[in-house]
Formats: sequence, structure tokens, C-alpha cells
Amino acid sequence: GDSVTQMEGPVTLSEEAFLTINCTYTATGYPSLFWYVQYPGEGLQLLLKATKADDKGSNKGFEATYRKETTSFHLEKGSVQVSDSAVYFCALSVNTGGFKTIFGAGTRLFVKA
Amino acid sequence: GAVVSQHPSWVICKSGTSVKIECRSLDFQATTMFWYRQFPKQSLMLMATSNEGSKATYEQGVEKDKFLINHASLTLSTLTVTSAHPEDSSFYICSAERAEGSNQPQHFGDGTRLSIL
Repeated sequence: GDSVTQMEGPVTLSEEAFLTINCTYTATGYPSLFWYVQYPGEGLQLLLKATKADDKGSNKGFEATYRKETTSFHLEKGSVQVSDSAVYFCALSVNTGGFKTIFGAGTRLFVKA
Repeated sequence: GAVVSQHPSWVICKSGTSVKIECRSLDFQATTMFWYRQFPKQSLMLMATSNEGSKATYEQGVEKDKFLINHASLTLSTLTVTSAHPEDSSFYICSAERAEGSNQPQHFGDGTRLSIL
């Protein structure tokens, strides 16, 4: 079945460090791919998305490229800030007679000042 | 942008109480809404898909009689946790999909933290 696998956390970085959170997926058909962010005590916010192969989603300095050949959608940011501390979820959405979103397990990021 | 409102944001109640959580799409019509449950430090688990005007579709292992879902209008879905017990304590999150479909992301509510004493 369809699934999303992302790297386990927590990830701890110093401010201004480079961030990569790996995400790979398994899906039938052509899914859309998403990264969501969840700050403590809050719901999910869409961070970025890509709807087809080779698309690059970007927002707030974060980027991810839809790689069909490697079934990956890794999240990157060149210089993290303390305010980026949150849980990041990779997700895919497929049309199964309605769109269903499948989430990865989430990766917790801590950024130290 | 689109906003989904979820209410209440936090509820504490005694064991045996039934609790209703509302999910509203504020500036668009949502034929489909989703209810998720999130345990501490874990991912979201889809509980059910709520379709306006019809019965909800529950995921395997989710008790229909325990988690009652009503999607009475294009802007409102409710989840009622009946006779709640401490093991039902969790973070419940709803999301809404636009009525016009297409490959758009779901819009999420801010979640409801349910604590059963």
C-alpha cells in the first residue's frame, strides 16, 4: 500500500546550520507530495508542496524537490533558526475516489541558539 | 487563505462524558472532511473520512459507535467521542478539502486536546 518513510528524530542543530530531513514514499499512481510543520500545541500547517516529478516546492527558506526516480522528497534549509524548532511531517496525497493523505511519522527538529 | 476552525481547542472532562468537537471551514465549502488522532510524539492517524450528506467512512480499527461523525452541511463536521475514557485522551485534528476537488492540499484545524480524567 501507499506509505511515507521519513528519518527518525529528534534532529538537533545549531542556529544557521544546514538542515536535511529525508523522506521517501511508496505509491501507486502519481501522488502529490507535501511537507507540513507542527509547532508545539498547534495543528498542522502546510509548509510546501509539489504535484509532479521534478517540481520544487519552497517556502520560508525551505525547499523540497519531487524526485520520481528515487521516490524521494527531502526537505532542506540552508540556515535554520531557533524558530524553526517544530515537528515536520512528510505526506503524500493520492486520488482513490477522493483524496486521501498519508503521513510519515514526523521528525522533531530542535535548533539551539 | 482558507481557514478551518476547530472547537474547542482543549477540553478536560470526567470519564463517561460524551464530548463533541466541531470542525468548520470558514471561507470555502468542504464536501469532505477528515478526522485524525495524534498520540504524543507520534504521527497523525486517519480515523475517518466525513462526507457531507452521507455516512462517514471509518478506518480499520476505529469504533464507529465510539466516535460518531456527523457532516450535516458543507461547512461543518462534528466528531463526538461517546462515553469517553482515559484511553481516549489524545489530540484530535480535523481537515477539510475544497468542494471543487482537484489536487489541493487539505486545510487543517488547530486541533483539540482531549483529556479524560
